[in-house]
Amino acid sequence: TQLLEQSPQFLSIQEGENLTVYCNSSSVFSSLQWYRQEPGEGPVLLVTVVTGGEVKKLKRLTFQFGDARKDSSLHITAAQPGDTGLYLCAGDRDTGRRALTFGSGTRLQVQP
Amino acid sequence: NAGVTQTPKFQVLKTGQSMTLQCAQDMNHNSMYWYRQDPGMGLRLIYYSASEGTTDKGEVPNGYNVSRLNKREFSLRLESAAPSQTSVYFCASRWTRPNTGELFFGEGSRLTVL
Repeated sequence: TQLLEQSPQFLSIQEGENLTVYCNSSSVFSSLQWYRQEPGEGPVLLVTVVTGGEVKKLKRLTFQFGDARKDSSLHITAAQPGDTGLYLCAGDRDTGRRALTFGSGTRLQVQP
Repeated sequence: NAGVTQTPKFQVLKTGQSMTLQCAQDMNHNSMYWYRQDPGMGLRLIYYSASEGTTDKGEVPNGYNVSRLNKREFSLRLESAAPSQTSVYFCASRWTRPNTGELFFGEGSRLTVL
């Protein structure tokens, strides 16, 4: 059982469509990060959210941290082929253990 | 701008063989990590080192050992490789004091155990 559950696992859409990826947990996180990974490379940070209810925008990407800091979502508006990749959420917990826990990932393919 | 460097990038082992994955970072980060990535499993933490001289187990430490050689280097050793250890391994580093920051990853090491 993963501490962070991501859904959906796979998403194949047409260019121009909107989509939302969810990251859910029963645990509280002090902060949550979203990474994107392309084939053959390591993940790269997109955003960090730290406050319950926080919303951050990065061009066409909108990230939200749940009020209770147990969940997060990533919304992409008008997806483009360049958005194709593996999206990973990762959380820091206030347990003294300074290690991120990752979700299982959402593989997005945007068809031109 | 090397960031996090892992070696080797590819390795094929036979069951029972041993090997060490090397990792070095040049960003003066205090914390370093080893993750493995398997299809549909995201990234799972094997071991981490919160600071020079300390190491701690992660979610899946069995079959692995680590050494934090100095502030820059963190190695992962497989003493007796098993097919279940076939995976892509990522080393990563970041600041965790005073605040936790972005995790920087290497390019990964693809290991196949036959």
